[in-house]
Amino acid sequence: AQSVTQLDSHVSVSEGTPVLLRCNYSSSYSPSLFWYVQHPNKGLQLLLKYTSAATLVKGINGFEAEFKKSETSFHLTKPSAHMSDAAEYFCVVSDYMIKGTYKYIFGTGTRLKVLA
Amino acid sequence: GAVVSQHPSWVICKSGTSVKIECRSLDFQATTMFWYRQFPKQSLMLMATSNEGSKATYEQGVEKDKFLINHASLTLSTLTVTSAHPEDSSFYICSASTPGAPGNTIYFGEGSWLTVV
Repeated sequence: AQSVTQLDSHVSVSEGTPVLLRCNYSSSYSPSLFWYVQHPNKGLQLLLKYTSAATLVKGINGFEAEFKKSETSFHLTKPSAHMSDAAEYFCVVSDYMIKGTYKYIFGTGTRLKVLA
Repeated sequence: GAVVSQHPSWVICKSGTSVKIECRSLDFQATTMFWYRQFPKQSLMLMATSNEGSKATYEQGVEKDKFLINHASLTLSTLTVTSAHPEDSSFYICSASTPGAPGNTIYFGEGSWLTVV
């Protein structure tokens, strides 16, 4: 079965400095991986996804993530944090179920705080 | 991109009553929809997977008679919390998956805050 681990429950960075949110996964086959962002009291918005194409995936709002099979990692990065990036971030891996359907496994989330 | 609409955004109901939350995929056909529950400052907990035209698949520990899920069409799934109690108060989020190959993106609704008084 698939699983995903977000290594940090909280990350604080200063505005304008780089962001690194870590995610490791376990998978018995080539996974599909996603990063979602959730602002307070809101639903989840897709930042980016990896589906066995290019290993460096670019997403919205300047975020990107690199799929590293040897390290089973899919860390999310951004060169320069903005105050509006403060939110909860979820790493998600898809898991095949039956009859062509997929189940999505969520990490426990990383709360990003951006300091002025 | 694909849009999922969830309604209502906020609902307050009296203990013992039932409340229905709707989840619609607005510009695509969703053969599979998911219902999650999220407690404050926690991750999403998958409650059930809803497949159009068949019974929902509930996760372990989720009472199917309490959380009724109906996926009557390719664009609509509903979650009914029956005989609600204060402990059912939570943030409920639905998501919908586009059909096809692995790695389908799931799109989320904006969530529904349920408060049972």
